[in-house]
Amino acid sequence: LAKTTQPISMDSYEGQEVNITCSHNNIATNDYITWYQQFPSQGPRFIIQGYKTKVTNEVASLFIPADRKSSTLSLPRVSLSDTAVYYCLVGDGQAGTALIFGKGTTLSVSS
Amino acid sequence: GAVVSQHPSWVICKSGTSVKIECRSLDFQATTMFWYRQFPKQSLMLMATSNEGSKATYEQGVEKDKFLINHASLTLSTLTVTSAHPEDSSFYICSAREPSGSDEQFFGPGTRLTVL
Repeated sequence: LAKTTQPISMDSYEGQEVNITCSHNNIATNDYITWYQQFPSQGPRFIIQGYKTKVTNEVASLFIPADRKSSTLSLPRVSLSDTAVYYCLVGDGQAGTALIFGKGTTLSVSS
Repeated sequence: GAVVSQHPSWVICKSGTSVKIECRSLDFQATTMFWYRQFPKQSLMLMATSNEGSKATYEQGVEKDKFLINHASLTLSTLTVTSAHPEDSSFYICSAREPSGSDEQFFGPGTRLTVL
């Protein structure tokens, strides 16, 4: 499984846009890129998933360049409640394949 | 989206006792479920892959005789921590994917185990 590298931590203020970049140089052709959010003492929560180019949903956007060796999670206008750990994962999306978590990025949003 | 539940949400036990944690897929059938462990300030670590009707597959370094996994139905997997010790205190999280649905992996809310 491809290894991912993310910044350990990021700080932001309410209302700002936050971009978290993840490197996955060894991503395989069949791998998807998925981002999860985790609050303390809770299970991870799915944010967004993509394969290439740009994906947008109601909470975030995911930008993936053509070489797919990195991806950027964009959170528009963050609030205090967005303070959490964000994990970038890559995997083939098969039902029998587990997700392997890296260290994640701890995002701290201040007022 | 699909829902995965865990029971109990937290448990405190004495050293040497066994504790069972249940993981259920509430609105889909999961032939495969996954068990993770998370220590404070650390990431999730995959412990084992639970396969319905067959033996679980354990990650390197995880003792299969200590962490017993049973996946007796398509909606239930159980993790039993046998002869628990304080170092087993951790946050245990299960997950599952819909085999015919999206590629999203659904996680349970986690179980906090504290061994005294």
